[in-house]
Amino acid sequence: GENVEQHPSTLSVQEGDSAVIKCTYSDSASNYFPWYKQELGKGPQLIIDIRSNVGEKKDQRIAVTLNKTAKHFSLHITETQPEDSAVYFCAASPRSNYKLTFGKGTLLTVNP
Amino acid sequence: DGGITQSPKYLFRKEGQNVTLSCEQNLNHDAMYWYRQDPGQGLRLIYYSQIVNDFQKGDIAEGYSVSREKKESFPLTVTSAQKNPTAFYLCASSTDRGSRPQHFGDGTRLSIL
Repeated sequence: GENVEQHPSTLSVQEGDSAVIKCTYSDSASNYFPWYKQELGKGPQLIIDIRSNVGEKKDQRIAVTLNKTAKHFSLHITETQPEDSAVYFCAASPRSNYKLTFGKGTLLTVNP
Repeated sequence: DGGITQSPKYLFRKEGQNVTLSCEQNLNHDAMYWYRQDPGQGLRLIYYSQIVNDFQKGDIAEGYSVSREKKESFPLTVTSAQKNPTAFYLCASSTDRGSRPQHFGDGTRLSIL
């Protein structure tokens, strides 16, 4: 089955800096890669996703890049703000079904 | 506003007791999911349902049961056979069959007395 590794497990940045979180996956059949933001005591919120026919996708300060050959994808947050502080999860899903395999999460702290 | 409502927010279970977690959505979504989250871990799929009166086991279904009698409701029962039930349980939904989870509820935290 699919295995998703996520790094780093914790990340601390200063407000205004950029943050990058990286994930690798094992199943070459995976074609859908979402990212979720989870605030304390809340459920995850889908913030951006990318499919295997696209190399990069942007949404304001958030971008995701995908390298199918290397089987890794990354989340980039620019101009970080304190409200970006949360746990971020990556996930991967194959074309054949709709099961998501999640990474273990990255705790991002943005210091004012 | 449309969304997913999970209740209760906190739940305590005695040894040997079954408990049921509620999940209701008013998004008119076909598919619903239950995930378990443990500290420092990613989410793991317990059960999912793509349509009313149909559901499938996920990766960690042992000790859990579900029903899907109505489109908007997908309750999860944690049975006494689940020996390590302490966790954060998340319900999710997506617009149609074949799509992945798009919306999550705010979870139920289950603890053992």
